[in-house]
Amino acid sequence: QLQLQESGPGLVKPSETLSLTCTVSGGSISSSSYYWGWIRQPPGKGLEWIGSIYYSGSTYYNPSLKSRVTISVDTSKNQFSLKLSSVTAADTAVYYCVGDASVFDYWGQGTLVTVSS
Amino acid sequence: DIQMTQSPSSLSASVGDRVTITCQASQDISNYLNWYQQKPGKAPKLLIYDASNLETGVPSRFSGSGSGTDFTFTISSLQPEDIATYYCQQYDNLPRYTFGQGTKLEIK
Repeated sequence: QLQLQESGPGLVKPSETLSLTCTVSGGSISSSSYYWGWIRQPPGKGLEWIGSIYYSGSTYYNPSLKSRVTISVDTSKNQFSLKLSSVTAADTAVYYCVGDASVFDYWGQGTLVTVSS
Repeated sequence: DIQMTQSPSSLSASVGDRVTITCQASQDISNYLNWYQQKPGKAPKLLIYDASNLETGVPSRFSGSGSGTDFTFTISSLQPEDIATYYCQQYDNLPRYTFGQGTKLEIK
């Protein structure tokens, strides 16, 4: 049973870069069955897919965020990471890491990131 | 972009009621539609995949149907533990997944 756990700062200043890491346990991130992705949810609002990465490094991003997003993978640590640049208050959200098989059947618990000075 | 229009946005029903939520895609997405349940403070949980397939371990009172542009999610007999927000999600238009805006289900 896969388990995913997000980690990273809970507070980021406006214009800076948000950085989060997801650690995968219970299985290999190099599994051919999954991409690994990020989804966010602003407080009281709906879900927004940010982007996903394959263990080989192949990525695809939400076009609305693509210019600010970088997702990377470290197979040696069984981790993948999210960087979102030039953040504003609108980027305040709970960020989830997910196993992406076109269906999101594995989710981390989520981590709240607040953008504020 | 494919837009997903989910309705209603909120719903109040009694225990034992049959509950139906709809999701309409802005274009044909075949059966590339999933449904999730999210309880307060928790991550979403997959309930239905490929429009009508029940995820392992999910109670049989949950079901999904539809194809093309119109989809339905049904709880056959509402239980107190079903109080949550429900989301549809399409995966036809890769590389962009989109979600419906959610339906908040409450007990009357």
